Amino acid sequence: DIQMTQSPSSLSASVGDRVTITCRASQSISSYLNWYQQKPGKAPKVLIYAASSLQSGVPSRFSGSGSGTDFTLTISSLQPEDFATYYCQQSYSILITFGQGTRLEIK
Amino acid sequence: EVQLVQSGAEVKKPGESLRISCKGSGYSFTNYWIGWVRQMPGKGLEWMGIIYPGDSETRYSPSFQGQVTISADKSINTAYLQWSSLKASDTAMYYCARRGGDSHGHWFDPWGQGTLVTVSS
Repeated sequence: DIQMTQSPSSLSASVGDRVTITCRASQSISSYLNWYQQKPGKAPKVLIYAASSLQSGVPSRFSGSGSGTDFTLTISSLQPEDFATYYCQQSYSILITFGQGTRLEIK
Repeated sequence: EVQLVQSGAEVKKPGESLRISCKGSGYSFTNYWIGWVRQMPGKGLEWMGIIYPGDSETRYSPSFQGQVTISADKSINTAYLQWSSLKASDTAMYYCARRGGDSHGHWFDPWGQGTLVTVSS
């Protein structure tokens, strides 16, 4: 299995802050990396696919970058609705794996 | 509108069997893989397996192989996740999701609303 490791596991930030979450794969996955946002009691929602492509309807303050084994999700200016848990997911292998999640909390 | 609608919450006893469902609408059900994802209380997302309803080709995560069965009935646009003998540790929210994408990769969108399974004596 390809292991996905996110850091940090949790993060406190304020509205307006710039936030970066990282995801590392245990082997090269090219750009086959997606990011999801999950709010309490809700299903996950895709934000970024193929490492850097913004899903339709997702605000432009969200961006993704990286290739190979190291990836980042950046929120340029945190909004109140962005406080949630974020997961990376690799689709390089048919045996899909998720990162363990990063919980973004209000400072 | 592309939509996945899952069956309702279940409360079961250890050792009982269960099948939960995921009905797709608004797209060609046979042309997209459907995946299942487990989320235990307060924990992260775990991919369980995936099925292609067109021919029922199925792949399982090694962690779930032999523990669950994934199937689909393309005549009614529905995928299933099934247990033959539930354990308390199967208590979780279960999501289905459609795998979309292209040559640049594949991602899950949309997701079902989730089915909460509670296993308790």
